[in-house]
Amino acid sequence: QVQLVQSGAEVKKPGASVKISCETSGYIFINYYIHWVRQAPGQGLEWMGAINPSGGRTTYEQKFQGRLTVTRDTSTSTVYMELSTLSSEDTAVYYCARRERGSSWGLDVWGQGTTVTVSS
Amino acid sequence: EIVLTQSPGTLSLSPGERATLSCRASQSVSASYLAWYQQKPGQAPRLLIYGASNRATGIPDRFSGSGSGTDFILTISRLEPEDFAVYYCQQYSDSPLTFGQGTLVDI
Repeated sequence: QVQLVQSGAEVKKPGASVKISCETSGYIFINYYIHWVRQAPGQGLEWMGAINPSGGRTTYEQKFQGRLTVTRDTSTSTVYMELSTLSSEDTAVYYCARRERGSSWGLDVWGQGTTVTVSS
Repeated sequence: EIVLTQSPGTLSLSPGERATLSCRASQSVSASYLAWYQQKPGQAPRLLIYGASNRATGIPDRFSGSGSGTDFILTISRLEPEDFAVYYCQQYSDSPLTFGQGTLVDI
């Protein structure tokens, strides 16, 4: 079955970086964009960026430009999200989710989420 | 950026009642690239509706979506106990993708 499995929880100090993985399975990797969405405690959903696994082109929300890097490894069907220069405002649950290229479907399968805590 | 405004913020209803949730966009959402998600505490969001009115796989027919342009509606015809959750609309017609702030449907 289709699965997106994310890496485990992280605790980071301010100024550090975090890298989260999203391992996909059960479908053709290059046929679906992978998006990253985060949710701060008690808050709503915030879109961060996305990658086209076919070619690796990325698009980022402007507020994360310069701090966010999304990459993919086609040999393992895994996408990585790295966020640098962390502050307490980056404490959140981070989700990966897929969307089919060229379709009108939304984000139809989500990872389980990765909790990132930024604290000194 | 397209701003999505959901109303009401909270909807207090009972099982069996009808829920009507609104999502208004600051500019037209092209090709109805508008989705609705349900999120329960401690869980990832779940896709309910895509393309404004199409139910995702496995979604019960008590959930329906409608609208176009800037005004969209999610209707739950008869609330089941498991439907009490937060609902988000999202547009994916324009970058950056954006979400509404959510509507809590509670008892």
